[in-house]
Amino acid sequence: NAGVTQTPKFQVLKTGQSMTLQCAQDMNHNSMYWYRQDPGMGLRLIYYSASEGTTDKGEVPNGYNVSRLNKREFSLRLESAAPSQTSVYFCASSVDGVSPLHFGNGTRLTVT
Amino acid sequence: GESVGLHLPTLSVQEGDNSIINCAYSNSASDYFIWYKQESGKGPQFIIDIRSNMDKRQGQRVTVLLNKTVKHLSLQIAATQPGDSAVYFCAENLNTGNQFYFGTGTSLTVIP
Repeated sequence: NAGVTQTPKFQVLKTGQSMTLQCAQDMNHNSMYWYRQDPGMGLRLIYYSASEGTTDKGEVPNGYNVSRLNKREFSLRLESAAPSQTSVYFCASSVDGVSPLHFGNGTRLTVT
Repeated sequence: GESVGLHLPTLSVQEGDNSIINCAYSNSASDYFIWYKQESGKGPQFIIDIRSNMDKRQGQRVTVLLNKTVKHLSLQIAATQPGDSAVYFCAENLNTGNQFYFGTGTSLTVIP
């Protein structure tokens, strides 16, 4: 049982480049989330998907888009990366949105 | 939105002593709370949770206390071990579900 799997683990982008962060869970969870973690600021919610076919903005959605491809997969896209998006990105899932989150091990993104 | 805060950013304890990590929340509508442990280079791991209809919940070596009157949450770790060294986060969930808000974290260091 892999839990929540994120790819890639590390990525370096130049300003203006685009990329997609991938996330998959094998726990049959309904809800999935993308967070970013910056030093001294904890985890901040970017977007979430309460169920397959729905997505909603979190606290810091600007500069990002998401796709809930199916029940297992939830991707995060940066269309035009900026240095302010340098961060560690975590994907998480939950059975129903009111149960514990299960996190992946993160993607460390650097934008130069 | 509402945010969750922690009183102390760092905490050092002697191995074998008990640790107490505190968390303040400001949204009276929050009804579900979770403590997470994060080790370096990894995603947060679930430790224990508590719903607002409870004041106390115990796990293995951990206890969570919830004081709704003053909007305060604490995590007690008994007989702290070197493996407990990590950053600890509390998270709150509004009764509307799906959105978890995290505090900035407390770094716990266990001195052998």
